[in-house]
Amino acid sequence: ETGVTQTPRHLVMGMTNKKSLKCEQHLGHNAMYWYKQSAKKPLELMFVYNFKEQTENNSVPSRFSPECPNSSHLFLHLHTLQPEDSALYLCASSQGASGAFFGQGTRLTVV
Amino acid sequence: AQSVTQLDSQVPVFEEAPVELRCNYSSSVSVYLFWYVQYPNQGLQLLLKYLSGSTLVKGINGFEAEFNKSQTSFHLRKPSVHISDTAEYFCAVSEGRQAGTALIFGKGTTLSVSS
Repeated sequence: ETGVTQTPRHLVMGMTNKKSLKCEQHLGHNAMYWYKQSAKKPLELMFVYNFKEQTENNSVPSRFSPECPNSSHLFLHLHTLQPEDSALYLCASSQGASGAFFGQGTRLTVV
Repeated sequence: AQSVTQLDSQVPVFEEAPVELRCNYSSSVSVYLFWYVQYPNQGLQLLLKYLSGSTLVKGINGFEAEFNKSQTSFHLRKPSVHISDTAEYFCAVSEGRQAGTALIFGKGTTLSVSS
């Protein structure tokens, strides 16, 4: 069992659908993150949560809506996405300066 | 603002040869530095990190990196690579040690090891 678990691993959705990505960490970390990884681009930081409070929103469009009900769970709610939103979405957690631990990612395809 | 530059987008190398993947960073304050590896269809795995102390850092899978403050570099090296080292490698920087200080990543270097 990995320390950070993401579900689903793959998701295909239409532009009018609503779906959610889930992330759960079993490491006792206080900070959680969403990153977007597109082909030929560096990893883009989307959101940061620290002790369940959002501390950073990196100019992400409102069609992406994060939710952090507790320090162990993080969601990314998706609605009315565009084809250019197709990417690998990575969740990570950290504690202090130990470095972030990543999940396996959700491969999202918007059709 | 901090940034990370990985100077080579692709590095092809033969098995058992040495390899160096280059990383330079830009920051106005002290930083913490990391190297991650990503295999196909996987998340990122931490290879090694520099927080303080010795500038030569050893990580998993036989990799090591050296922090050079004057040259603002953190190059990754391995004396003898294996086919299984074929993957994408990312250098990352963080300016804070508090929880919630996000990592900023470079664009990645694709290491291709052939026999």
